[in-house]
Amino acid sequence: NAGVTQTPKFRVLKTGQSMTLLCAQDMNHEYMYWYRQDPGMGLRLIHYSVGEGTTAKGEVPDGYNVSRLKKQNFLLGLESAAPSQTSVYFCASSLIVRGEQFFGPGTRLTVL
Amino acid sequence: QQQVKQSPQSLIVQKGGISIINCAYENTAFDYFPWYQQFPGKGPALLIAIRPDVSEKKEGRFTISFNKSAKQFSLHIMDSQPGDSATYFCAASISQAGTALIFGKGTTLSVSS
Repeated sequence: NAGVTQTPKFRVLKTGQSMTLLCAQDMNHEYMYWYRQDPGMGLRLIHYSVGEGTTAKGEVPDGYNVSRLKKQNFLLGLESAAPSQTSVYFCASSLIVRGEQFFGPGTRLTVL
Repeated sequence: QQQVKQSPQSLIVQKGGISIINCAYENTAFDYFPWYQQFPGKGPALLIAIRPDVSEKKEGRFTISFNKSAKQFSLHIMDSQPGDSATYFCAASISQAGTALIFGKGTTLSVSS
């Protein structure tokens, strides 16, 4: 099993450009999450999903959109990137809400 | 009320020493308290977790101590090793559908040899 994979690993954007980050899991998990990690700020939840076709806002959702069209995939979109969105983005999944979250390797995004 | 406050921000411990990281919370509805370990360039991974019905849980050199009345929990790493050097995050969540983990801001541990 590959676990949780993220595409791409690195990306540099210019302000105003758009992009989509892809997260895939092969563990048949119901719950999926997108976090951003910034120095000294820990992990902050952007959006999450409790099942296929459902999404919900987390702590810092502004400027991001998500979709969960298939159970195994969770997409994070930036419609108009801003320098404040420079961060490392982690996707995670879990079988149950109070269970272990499995994290992907992260995507390092720089917005110039 | 949804915050989890973690301290210290960074910690330096001699090899063989005890590393202690503390977390505090306000929301008494939290009922799941995991600790995650993250090495540079990697995603976090679950280290150990505790439910509020027990006061301590031990797995190898890692122990969680939980004080429900004080709304605090801590991670103790016994006989700390250089390989334990990483960032540690405490977290908390409420057992209801759709509620995600709330993470502390992290503690960077360096174990010197």
